Amino acid sequence: AQSVAQPEDQVNVAEGNPLTVKCTYSVSGNPYLFWYVQYPNRGLQFLLKYITGDNLVKGSYGFEAEFNKSQTSFHLKKPSALVSDSALYFCAVRDGSASKIIFGSGTRLSIRP
Amino acid sequence: NAGVTQTPKFRILKIGQSMTLQCTQDMNHNYMYWYRQDPGMGLKLIYYSVGAGITDKGEVPNGYNVSRSTTEDFPLRLELAAPSQTSVYFCASRSSYEQYFGPGTRLTVT
Repeated sequence: AQSVAQPEDQVNVAEGNPLTVKCTYSVSGNPYLFWYVQYPNRGLQFLLKYITGDNLVKGSYGFEAEFNKSQTSFHLKKPSALVSDSALYFCAVRDGSASKIIFGSGTRLSIRP
Repeated sequence: NAGVTQTPKFRILKIGQSMTLQCTQDMNHNYMYWYRQDPGMGLKLIYYSVGAGITDKGEVPNGYNVSRSTTEDFPLRLELAAPSQTSVYFCASRSSYEQYFGPGTRLTVT
């Protein structure tokens, strides 16, 4: 069975500092990994994905994520945080051969001015 | 481009009532999904469909039913609403990889 964990309920970062939001996963086959962002009272928006190839993937709004197969992790990163990055972030995983996509519990990112 | 649309945006139900949440996508995606998001929580998969006429259970299917008669539409039916079904419901569709989400339906059962 596939699963995904986001160990931090909340991450607090000062504006201009780098940020990391953690995600670990478990699948039986090849993982397809995703990050989504949710702003208040809105649906989820796609940020980036890892399917195959380069372990460092770049996405929207300056975000990037690093796939680490040995640690089964897919952490979301940004070199310099903005106050407007404050939102709820979800990691998701799909076993490449499966149809279901499973989401983590979410991490609330708060960027202070 | 409408993308994924959901109706209604808000609804209040009494215990025991039934309703259908509508979801339509105009991207010709085969895969469609229903999730619920409880306050302060993540998304839980209720049902999903890999194409017209084919549906399957997700993590939390009890109390819900779905149908998929066309590629565009994937309605979610709640029978005998219970307070535990108070949540925000999101519909999503996908092409090869990433999902596209609707704006959600906020449902309260009292």
